[in-house]
Amino acid sequence: DIQMTQSPSSLSASVGDRVTITCRTSQDISYYLAWYQQKPGRVPKLLIYAASILQSGVPSRFSGSGSGTDFTLTISSLQPEDVATYYCQKYNSALITFGQGTRLEIK
Amino acid sequence: EVQLVESGGGLVQPGRSLRLSCAASGFIFDDYAMHWVRQAPGKGLEWVSGISWNSGSIAYADSVKGRFNISRDSAKNSLDLHMNSLRTEDMALYYCAKGNGAGVRGVIDYWGQGTLVTVSS
Repeated sequence: DIQMTQSPSSLSASVGDRVTITCRTSQDISYYLAWYQQKPGRVPKLLIYAASILQSGVPSRFSGSGSGTDFTLTISSLQPEDVATYYCQKYNSALITFGQGTRLEIK
Repeated sequence: EVQLVESGGGLVQPGRSLRLSCAASGFIFDDYAMHWVRQAPGKGLEWVSGISWNSGSIAYADSVKGRFNISRDSAKNSLDLHMNSLRTEDMALYYCAKGNGAGVRGVIDYWGQGTLVTVSS
C-alpha cells in the first residue's frame, strides 16, 4: 500500500503570512493528488485536484504544486477564514487515501 | 443544486449490522461515481468505499473489506452501505460523497452532512 505523510500536523501563522503544507507519498502517484479544506463543524471542501488545478470558486490565494511523490499546498496570504484542517488525498488507483490532516490556526 | 442526504445511522452493538442510505439529487446520478467517507470524532477523514457510475468498479478500504458492501440504485438515485460485523473502531460520522467523474479513481466534489454511527454495547 502507498503511504501518505502530511506535514506539519499543525501550524500557527499570522494573517498575511505565506503558508505551506506538504504531502509525501511512498510511491510515485504522478499528479493524482487533491487537497481539501475542512472548517470546524463543516463538511470538507475540494480546493485543488490533479495536484495544481484550482476547483471552481476557490480563492486564487490557494495553489498546489508537485508531482510524483512530493506535493505542496500553498496559501499565499493567510486570511482569518482559512482556519481549518487541510487534507491531501491520492487517487492514482481505486484505493483512495487521505493524509492525516494539517490543522491551521491564526497566531 | 447537488444534495446528498444520508440516513440510517444510530446506535448498534458490536458484531451487529447496519445499513446506511444516501438520497442523491440535483445531478445526473447515473453519470458519476459515489463514495462513502467516514470521520471518527476528533479524527481525520477515512475513505471507506467507492462505486463507479455503472457499479462495474467497486473498491473498499482494507479496514472494511469483507464486512461492508456498497451498492447503488439508479431507479431511486440512491447509494447504500451495508455494514456487517461492526466494531467499535467503525464508530464515526459517515459521509455520502459524489465523485467528480464516472470512475472510482477520482476526487470528491460534493459531500452530504453525514450520519452518525455509534458502536457500543
